[in-house]
Amino acid sequence: AQKVTQAQTEISVVEKEDVTLDCVYETRDTTYYLFWYKQPPSGELVFLIRRNSFDEQNEISGRYSWNFQKSTSSFNFTITASQVVDSAVYFCALSEGGYQKVTFGTGTKLQVIP
Amino acid sequence: DGGITQSPKYLFRKEGQNVTLSCEQNLNHDAMYWYRQDPGQGLRLIYYSQIVNDFQKGDIAEGYSVSREKKESFPLTVTSAQKNPTAFYLCASSIPSVGSEQFFGPGTRLTVL
Repeated sequence: AQKVTQAQTEISVVEKEDVTLDCVYETRDTTYYLFWYKQPPSGELVFLIRRNSFDEQNEISGRYSWNFQKSTSSFNFTITASQVVDSAVYFCALSEGGYQKVTFGTGTKLQVIP
Repeated sequence: DGGITQSPKYLFRKEGQNVTLSCEQNLNHDAMYWYRQDPGQGLRLIYYSQIVNDFQKGDIAEGYSVSREKKESFPLTVTSAQKNPTAFYLCASSIPSVGSEQFFGPGTRLTVL
């Protein structure tokens, strides 16, 4: 069975600090996809990134970066120089065996204090 | 602008009443989903549909029903059989392809009085 663990329930940082959101997953499949979504206070989840199991390259997009390590089954998300607009709940998700089955973590609520 | 709309934003229901949540998309996606979000529990899949006139139960389908008569519409009915319906409900859609991301609506917050 697939499982996604986001152990950090809530994180508070001061603006301009760096912050890393942890995501650990479990799967028996060799082919799978990992995702990060952002849920701002408005409620709508917004897709941030997708990574497939065969691509362990780290990715950077502006202030966002993602570190995928199959050896530790982790897909961590770092925000550099955080801003108040980064305040949201962030979800890590895992898809295996078909697009219909996506398992979401419980989310990490990030609060960036001005 | 393409996207997903859900209505209403807030919904109040008396115990014992059925209520229907609307979800419409103009992204031309074949696949649509309904999730329930409770505090500290992440998103749980209620139903999904891969194509018109077809839908499948997700992990927590009991007490819910859906229909998919049109590609762009996937309404969810919360029946009186659902024991604890107060929650935030999210509708999503995607291309029916492995690894495709899902696009979400703004959600409906249902409160049972």
